[in-house]
Amino acid sequence: AQKVTQAQTEISVVEKEDVTLDCVYETRDTTYYLFWYKQPPSGELVFLIRRNSFDEQNEISGRYSWNFQKSTSSFNFTITASQVVDSAVYFCALSEGTSYIPTFGRGTSLIVHP
Amino acid sequence: DGGITQSPKYLFRKEGQNVTLSCEQNLNHDAMYWYRQDPGQGLRLIYYSQIVNDFQKGDIAEGYSVSREKKESFPLTVTSAQKNPTAFYLCATGGGPNEQFFGPGTRLTVL
Repeated sequence: AQKVTQAQTEISVVEKEDVTLDCVYETRDTTYYLFWYKQPPSGELVFLIRRNSFDEQNEISGRYSWNFQKSTSSFNFTITASQVVDSAVYFCALSEGTSYIPTFGRGTSLIVHP
Repeated sequence: DGGITQSPKYLFRKEGQNVTLSCEQNLNHDAMYWYRQDPGQGLRLIYYSQIVNDFQKGDIAEGYSVSREKKESFPLTVTSAQKNPTAFYLCATGGGPNEQFFGPGTRLTVL
């Protein structure tokens, strides 16, 4: 069975600090897909990134970067120079290649103080 | 505009009532999902449908029912059998190897 663990329930930082959100996953499939979503206070989840199990390249998009490591089953998300607008709940999700039904972690609430 | 709409945004239910949450999409996606979100619990899957006229139970289907008569629509009924229905409900499409698209959600409160 697939499982996603986001051990950090809440993180509080001051603006301009760097912050890393951890995501550890479990799956028996060799083909799987990992995702990060952002849920701002309005409630609607917004897709941030997708990675498949065959692509371990790290990705950078502006202030956001993602570190995918199969050896540790982790897919961590770093925000550089955080801003107040980054305040949200962030979810990591896993979709196995056999079932295609996503499993979400419990989310990490990020609070960025001015 | 392509997207997912959910209505109503806020819903109040009395004890013993059934209520139906609407979810409509114009993204032409086959798969649709319903999630329940409680504080600190993340998203838990209630039901999903991968094709019209077919749907499957998720992890917490008890006390809920769905229908999928049209590709665009996937309504969720919260029945009186659901003992603790107060939560935030999210509808989504897409999924599988691709990202999901989410609606704005419905916040249900039991009075």
